[in-house]
Amino acid sequence: QSVLTQPPSVSAAPGQKVTISCSGSSSNIGNNYVSWYQQLPGTAPKLLIYDNNKRPSGIPDRFSGSKSGTSATLGITGLQTGDEADYYCGTWDSSLNAVVFGGGTKLTVL
Amino acid sequence: EVQLLESGGGLVQPGGSLRLSCAASGFTFSSYVMTWVRQAPGKGLEWVSAISGSGDSTYYADSVKGRFTISRDNSKNTLYLQMNSLRAEDTAVYYCAKSISKVIQPFDYWGQGTLVTVSS
Repeated sequence: QSVLTQPPSVSAAPGQKVTISCSGSSSNIGNNYVSWYQQLPGTAPKLLIYDNNKRPSGIPDRFSGSKSGTSATLGITGLQTGDEADYYCGTWDSSLNAVVFGGGTKLTVL
Repeated sequence: EVQLLESGGGLVQPGGSLRLSCAASGFTFSSYVMTWVRQAPGKGLEWVSAISGSGDSTYYADSVKGRFTISRDNSKNTLYLQMNSLRAEDTAVYYCAKSISKVIQPFDYWGQGTLVTVSS
């Protein structure tokens, strides 16, 4: 059971928009920055969003992040088949003194 | 170009030990927190341990505390994870990851991972 809660799967058609939610508590998302990672099949995770809504160099602006209270959301617009991957949210948990991740969300682009 | 190359994984019996290494290049190694994250087969990501740039501060997940030891050799640009008293539930791909700054997370670069299998 993950500390952060994500939907197991989401799907949408190419060109459409999808959002992935990440729910936590005051000890993690509520008081710490959230990051998002993309893991393509058979590869290592890749940082997509950090500090709630910042994109590392090279990440297209189709990817966006937001946070409100104890929840965070990853948005992906203009979906491409190459976006099919597992997506994970992560943050620091001040009570556990540990980095915590969501269970991951599998994105299918139909 | 930042590169992280893990090694040392393999098959080990329950109760056994293994030491993982992560060779880093392309950045000033001693300036960044380094982390180990693992992923059991077909499962999600699990943070394992982190170490400050100087090596003075270490952090562990409860699931490995007392069994795993993280360390680093800044003269060799190498991160280590000594794993003792291994259990079947430690079976996973172990990734080393570089933190984006002096804080523990997020992680902006990851290695390709090394597989650890604990089985008799």
